[in-house]
Amino acid sequence: ILNVEQSPQSLHVQEGDSTNFTCSFPSSNFYALHWYRWETAKSPEALFVMTLNGDEKKKGRISATLNTKEGYSYLYIKGSQPEDSATYLCASLNTDKLIFGTGTRLQVFP
Amino acid sequence: GAGVSQSPSNKVTEKGKDVELRCDPISGHTALYWYRQSLGQGLEFLIYFQGNSAPDKSGLPSDRFSAERTGGSVSTLTIQRTQQEDSAVYLCASSFKQRSEQFFGPGTRLTVL
Repeated sequence: ILNVEQSPQSLHVQEGDSTNFTCSFPSSNFYALHWYRWETAKSPEALFVMTLNGDEKKKGRISATLNTKEGYSYLYIKGSQPEDSATYLCASLNTDKLIFGTGTRLQVFP
Repeated sequence: GAGVSQSPSNKVTEKGKDVELRCDPISGHTALYWYRQSLGQGLEFLIYFQGNSAPDKSGLPSDRFSAERTGGSVSTLTIQRTQQEDSAVYLCASSFKQRSEQFFGPGTRLTVL
């Protein structure tokens, strides 16, 4: 059974704070790690697809790192804004299906 | 439209009735996935199509659940004799090919009374 775990479960920060969350996944038979952002009443939106150990990707104020040997990925948000409030999901690609973590729910207060 | 669409957006049904959920993937995407999110749970994989065939049905919770895909495009997920525990948001996603980035639809919220 493939377990993908995310922490923390939820996070409340003030506007302007930087924050980060963790995704851990089994390192054996690793193919890719996906990060998604899911805002209430909207579809999950892909942020990053990462495959190589040591990969670092960036999109605006959001960045992610990947360590496939130890089985973890970090997502960083620099200078959080209220519009960053969402649930952030990571998922490990197992053969051809994504196994999702339960997500980190981020709330950014103005 | 450019994105994945799903219908209906909301469905309320009585226990024991059958329901059909529809997914229209992005044109040209060969892979199609069904997931569901029950209250307080993460996204759970149900089934995956490559073209019209389903190489992985391992996530379907019981034989009351079935899915098909026709013409390499539209997919329907059918739940027979619905139970209250089937209440969830059912999400569909498609990707250009296996293992590439998945694009999600807005979901169908199913409530079984």
